[in-house]
Amino acid sequence: SQTIHQWPATLVQPVGSPLSLECTVEGTSNPNLYWYRQAAGRGLQLLFYSVGIGQISSEVPQNLSASRPQDRQFILSSKKLLLSDSGFYLCAWIIKGLSGELFFGEGSRLTVL
Amino acid sequence: RKEVEQDPGPFNVPEGATVAFNCTYSNSASQSFFWYRQDCRKEPKLLMSVYSSGNEDGRFTAQLNRASQYISLLIRDSKLSDSATYLCVVNSRGGGTYKYIFGTGTRLKVLA
Repeated sequence: SQTIHQWPATLVQPVGSPLSLECTVEGTSNPNLYWYRQAAGRGLQLLFYSVGIGQISSEVPQNLSASRPQDRQFILSSKKLLLSDSGFYLCAWIIKGLSGELFFGEGSRLTVL
Repeated sequence: RKEVEQDPGPFNVPEGATVAFNCTYSNSASQSFFWYRQDCRKEPKLLMSVYSSGNEDGRFTAQLNRASQYISLLIRDSKLSDSATYLCVVNSRGGGTYKYIFGTGTRLKVLA
């Protein structure tokens, strides 16, 4: 069966520090991958999506970047965090070509101080 | 205008009540529709897909009105365990993939 892992689950970072969040999918190949952010009390905002290795589309210009170095690995990064980067970051995947259920990881909760 | 709009609530209802949530979307080319449930500080999980003919899953009924660009979720006989945030999700094709756009969610609290 397919599973999705995200880490770290929780982190507290100072303003100006770098960030790296990782997401790995198991049990499937060539998935479409997504990064969402949910700020406190807000909805899910689509940040990036990827249809294949090295292919990244950005939905919202901001202080973050994404990379897909391997088929089932999706990384969210920042060189210098801002206070406004705080939130709940969720990685999700779906089988390519389908429009059914989007499967989420357990999320990474980031607090920038 | 937001792509997907929901009343944020909260909806506070007694156990056993029937409650309905609505959602509107702006992209008429949207192709598929869902309701997700999100518990506090957890990831969203699929509650049900929404089909044009309407569909039911136990106490939950979802409806889609493409002409009005409107989706609804009805929960009958509410249970304490139904307390959560319900997210309306609209899916449209773009950039070589399907983009899932989430509403901000409607918070439901079922009271004993």
